[in-house]
Amino acid sequence: EIALTQSPATLSLSPGERATLSCRTSQSVGTSLSWYQHKPGQAPRLLIYDASNRATGIPARFSGSGSGTDFTLTISSLEPEDFVVYYCQHRNNWLWTFGQGTKVEIK
Amino acid sequence: QVQLVESGGGVVQPGRSLRLSCAATGFSFSNHGMHWVRQAPGKGLEWVAVAWSGINRQDYADSVKGRFTISRDNSKNTVFLEMNSLGADDTAVYYCARDYAFSLDLWGQGTLVTVSS
Repeated sequence: EIALTQSPATLSLSPGERATLSCRTSQSVGTSLSWYQHKPGQAPRLLIYDASNRATGIPARFSGSGSGTDFTLTISSLEPEDFVVYYCQHRNNWLWTFGQGTKVEIK
Repeated sequence: QVQLVESGGGVVQPGRSLRLSCAATGFSFSNHGMHWVRQAPGKGLEWVAVAWSGINRQDYADSVKGRFTISRDNSKNTVFLEMNSLGADDTAVYYCARDYAFSLDLWGQGTLVTVSS
């Protein structure tokens, strides 16, 4: 089973700043990695699939990059509604795995 | 309107069973795999199970294998999760989600399952 490790656990930034979130996998996964945003009390939302493809309706300030074992979610300029939790996810051998999450909080 | 709506959550005693439902509207349900994902209080997202479309195949997380059964009724655009031998560790909000290229691109609002005596 492939493990996903997200860092940092918490990221403290101010609105307008750039956020860089990391997800590392224990084995190479090519570009088979997705990112989700989860606001409290709401349904999670797919942001990025296949490492770098923005899902439908996702603002351009969200971008994904990486391949192999190292992946990055970048939020170019944080809006107030972006201060929530983000998860990476991978599918391997018919098992889906999520990272433990990164919380982006207001500094 | 494209949406997923879960139902069936509630309080259940340890060792008992519960059946969750997820009704889909606004898209071709039979063309998509359907997942269940859960989030325990204070924890992250945990994938639970998937029921594929077009083939009779279901896959499960190790933590629920042998206790949970996912099924779907394409005539009713509904996916189910039958949960048996429930324990405190199964307390969580349960989300259903639509598969898209092995990502989950549409999620319901979730239904809360509390296992407690």
